[in-house]
Amino acid sequence: EDKVVQSPLSLVVHEGDTVTLNCSYEVTNFRSLLWYKQEKKAPTFLFMLTSSGIEKKSGRLSSILDKKELFSILNITATQTGDSAVYLCAVWNIYGGSQGNLIFGKGTKLSVKP
Amino acid sequence: EPEVTQTPSHQVTQMGQEVILRCVPISNHLYFYWYRQILGQKVEFLVSFYNNEISEKSEIFDDQFSVERPDGSNFTLKIRSTKLEDSAMYFCASSEARGAFTGELFFGEGSRLTVL
Repeated sequence: EDKVVQSPLSLVVHEGDTVTLNCSYEVTNFRSLLWYKQEKKAPTFLFMLTSSGIEKKSGRLSSILDKKELFSILNITATQTGDSAVYLCAVWNIYGGSQGNLIFGKGTKLSVKP
Repeated sequence: EPEVTQTPSHQVTQMGQEVILRCVPISNHLYFYWYRQILGQKVEFLVSFYNNEISEKSEIFDDQFSVERPDGSNFTLKIRSTKLEDSAMYFCASSEARGAFTGELFFGEGSRLTVL
């Protein structure tokens, strides 16, 4: 069965801390891995990763993919209270010429205390 | 900034009733999806839709579910005879091209369905 596993499930840190969120996957027809941030309702897109070893950065957030070991990490440096959210990892599973579907992990709930 | 809009934001219904959840995808997008998230659980794929037909569906998407694009803008999810376990947040999403090539699925704010 295809699955995406995130760890930890929840994390409490203080402002200024650096955090690393983990995502491992077992997907039959991997095409790419995505990170989303979910604050209140709609997941908002952060990164898409398709190649191993290439770090994607956006401000204090960065992410990297290891396709050999089947995992990705999301780093957040100098955390702020506004980073408090659920971070979702999802993998595009594409087979043949299909449209495919996103398989989500359960998410990591990050709480940043002032 | 263009966005996916969903209505209603919250619907309460009695078990056995039919429910229609509505979505307006981003206007130039061609691929549409429904996902659901039961409280405390992960986001789950229901169905994808392209060119006025279902591309793929999960095992969750059984005969009680249907999708439709009745006009050029709306994309609907109908649940024919709701059950308690259908209570969830239902997310509509769209993408300009096949998701894996652009990566980004744009999600709506969700419709919370509560079945009593």
